[in-house]
Amino acid sequence: EVQLVESGGSLVQPGGSLRLSCAVSGFTFSDHFMDWVRQAPGKGLEWVGRIRIKRNKYSTEYPASVKGRFTISRDDSKDSLYLQMNNLKIEDTAVYYCVSSPLTGSHYLIRHWGQGTLVTVSS
Amino acid sequence: DIQMTQSPSTLSASVGDRVTITCRASQTITNMLSWFQQKPGKAPNLLIYAASTLESGVPSRFSGSGSGTEYTLTINDLQPDDFATYFCQQYNNYPLTFGGGTKVEI
Repeated sequence: EVQLVESGGSLVQPGGSLRLSCAVSGFTFSDHFMDWVRQAPGKGLEWVGRIRIKRNKYSTEYPASVKGRFTISRDDSKDSLYLQMNNLKIEDTAVYYCVSSPLTGSHYLIRHWGQGTLVTVSS
Repeated sequence: DIQMTQSPSTLSASVGDRVTITCRASQTITNMLSWFQQKPGKAPNLLIYAASTLESGVPSRFSGSGSGTEYTLTINDLQPDDFATYFCQQYNNYPLTFGGGTKVEI
């Protein structure tokens, strides 16, 4: 059974930093692209970024809203994904989901989601 | 960035109804579109990918269609378990983007 378990969410002040973790099991982590997706309270889904696999040099993609502030990394030896968030803003308040994106056909597809961890940015 | 516009934002329906949700992309996405279902307090669940391919385990009353910039999710014979919020998502280009969601309510 595929499982993704996020941790690290908490209350943080504007300008602060936070590191989220995601522990996975039930699939070959090193073969999957991995994403973070967030959802502000009562709002829609926003993709936060992606990290590819070793064959792709663990390259990353980010939207403009977080580029330069957020960094995604992974440790294939620990089946773990991370999201380092710096210079947090009030608008970063959201539930953050860890997502696995296996190769499906010729594309890496957002497929399995964790239960999410809440990040609240407030003074 | 590719903007994904979903309509309607809210849809009132009854058990047994057929409902259709539309997702329009700001540029062609060559069928690189997924649909997700989300229930309150839960993570989204993949229903359909590649515009029309049903994810394993998803009931056959769900179907997807479309091409170019216009895509639809159809639910036939709406069941009580289907009352939820539905999101489309394109993966043709970065940044990956989602539609704003359609809440299907009783």
